[in-house]
Parts: sequence; C-alpha cells; structure tokens
Amino acid sequence: AQKITQTQPGMFVQEKEAVTLDCTYDTSDQSYGLFWYKQPSSGEMIFLIYQGSYDEQNATEGRYSLNFQKARKSANLVISASQLGDSAMYFCAMRGLTTGTASKLTFGTGTRLQVTL
Amino acid sequence: DAGVIQSPRHEVTEMGQEVTLRCKPISGHDYLFWYRQTMMRGLELLIYFNNNVPIDDSGMPEDRFSAKMPNASFSTLKIQPSEPRDSAVYFCASSLGRFYNSPLHFGNGTRLTVT
Repeated sequence: AQKITQTQPGMFVQEKEAVTLDCTYDTSDQSYGLFWYKQPSSGEMIFLIYQGSYDEQNATEGRYSLNFQKARKSANLVISASQLGDSAMYFCAMRGLTTGTASKLTFGTGTRLQVTL
Repeated sequence: DAGVIQSPRHEVTEMGQEVTLRCKPISGHDYLFWYRQTMMRGLELLIYFNNNVPIDDSGMPEDRFSAKMPNASFSTLKIQPSEPRDSAVYFCASSLGRFYNSPLHFGNGTRLTVT
C-alpha cells in the first residue's frame, strides 16, 4: 500500500519569497516516483515536477525544486520567488512499481498556497 | 501537442438522468484513468485502462457507474441513474507506460452537478 501525507492544509507566502510545501510518503516499493501537481482555481491539474526514488540529485524545473530526503521519506516542493499566479492547491502524489501500485497515482490531500503582495 | 481533452466542462442534470462524460487521451498514451474529486474524499481513482482494456475498476462506487474505451482515442464514463451524491469534478488522465517515472497528464475535468 502507498500513502501520501500533506500536513499543511494552507500556507501563505509573500510575493518574491520562497516557500516549502511538505510531503511525506510511505511505501513498500523499492522503486517509485514522486510527483507534484498544481490545481489553480480554474480546476485543471497541472504536472509540475517528478523525482525518482533512485535519482541522486534533487529534481528542478524552473522555479520549482523538489527536496528529496529518501531516508526520511519526504519529498517537499520548494517554490522560489513566489508569484501571484502560484496561488493554487498543490498535490503530492506517488506511483509505485509493483502490481497494484505501478499504474495508479496516489494523491495526498493537498496544500492550498496563497501568495500575498 | 494536444493534451487530454474532456467534454463537457460542466454538466448540470436532474437526479435520475443518465450522464455521459467523454475523454480523448493524448495520442500514443496507453494508459487511461478516470478520477473523481470531491471536498470530502479528495481525488479517488475510479477505473483505469491499459490498451483499451479495463484493468482495475475497484474504485467504481457502484453499478450505476460504467466506463468504456472502444478505441485508443476515446473513453466514456457513464452514470445511470445519476444521484446528487455523484456531484463532483471528474478527471480523465493518460500516461505513457505504467512505470513509476511516467507522469499522468490530466484533462481539465468535468464539473458534474446533480440536482
């Protein structure tokens, strides 16, 4: 079984500041992928960034980076230089390797980020 | 490249009516997923297909729900008869491969309201 935990229901950050959204996970798979999605108020689900369990370096995509700490089973999303358009719901998700976990994407409950002036 | 296309974007219907949601996955993707999102339950996987074949429908809430994928470029999710508790946003997603490094790409969702 897989589980994703996002303990921050809501976060505030000032424009141009950096913010970290927390994500911890639990899985019995040796190989797995961790994903972050953004859901703005318009409702679509936008894929942001991916981290593989065997990747030695933290993933980065523009202003997004993933702080991956395998021993602690955490995969926090860091957004640098926040912009007003970053205000949205953010979901951490996992996809495993074994039968039953490989195909499915398991989601956390999400963190609502509000960027303020 | 065109992303996952869902229709309609919004659907309002009365209890007891049949509802059909449609999805066109990204060309070349071999996995297709239907998710439902509600405030109470978050994102739930309803069913997924591999090469047009349903693999796991254990998330389908009850017999009123059915899904088909007649070809690689089209899938439907049908609710018959609909009930107010079916009100939710329904997402279709597709991916290339089943492996853990393949992200799911989501459509814009269909917001269903059953009155």
